[in-house]
Amino acid sequence: QVQLVESGGGLVKPGGSLRLSCAASGFTFSDHYMSWIRQAPGKGLEWVSYISSSGSSKYYADSVKGRFTISKDNAKNSLYLHMNSLRAEDTAVYYCTRDGNDSSMKYWGQGTLVTVSS
Amino acid sequence: DIQMTQSPSSLSASIGDRVTITCRASQSIDIFLHWYQQKPGKAPNLLISAASSLQSGVPSRFSGSGSGTDFTLAISNLQPEDFATYYCQQTYRTPPYTFGQGTKLEIK
Repeated sequence: QVQLVESGGGLVKPGGSLRLSCAASGFTFSDHYMSWIRQAPGKGLEWVSYISSSGSSKYYADSVKGRFTISKDNAKNSLYLHMNSLRAEDTAVYYCTRDGNDSSMKYWGQGTLVTVSS
Repeated sequence: DIQMTQSPSSLSASIGDRVTITCRASQSIDIFLHWYQQKPGKAPNLLISAASSLQSGVPSRFSGSGSGTDFTLAISNLQPEDFATYYCQQTYRTPPYTFGQGTKLEIK
């Protein structure tokens, strides 16, 4: 069965960096588009970033463009989100998702909490 | 960017009721509209993709309709486990793939 397990969250100071990982299993990772979605405490869902199956196409929300970098290692069945210049407003639970053919977020991980605070 | 306006933001209903939630896109998105259910402390769950395609394992009391700019999620015969927050999302052409603001469905 499809499994997505995020890790790497934690407490970081404003301006700091963090790398989130998502370990995938139960499907052919190299065949699928993947995304990162976040949810600030008590707030709604925000699409953050998307990467094509090969990793050649990447897209970002304006709120993170230039600060976050998405990548995937098909050999390690892993998705990453490198986050730099973190701000308080980046505090959220970050979910990785496996996308369907229509780009719906068909499978979700359990999420990892990132807290940006001094 | 495409904006998604979801309404209502909250809704009270009783067990056995039928409710509808609407989602409007700022431009035509064909049928690239999906509905998710989220319960407190849990990841969202995809209920309906491509406006009306019910996901495997989702009860048939959930249904979706619409195309272009206006979409509806209907839940008939509300059950206790249906009380949750619902989100729409568009995935038309290239990202950003925006979500609606969410609708919190509560027990009356």
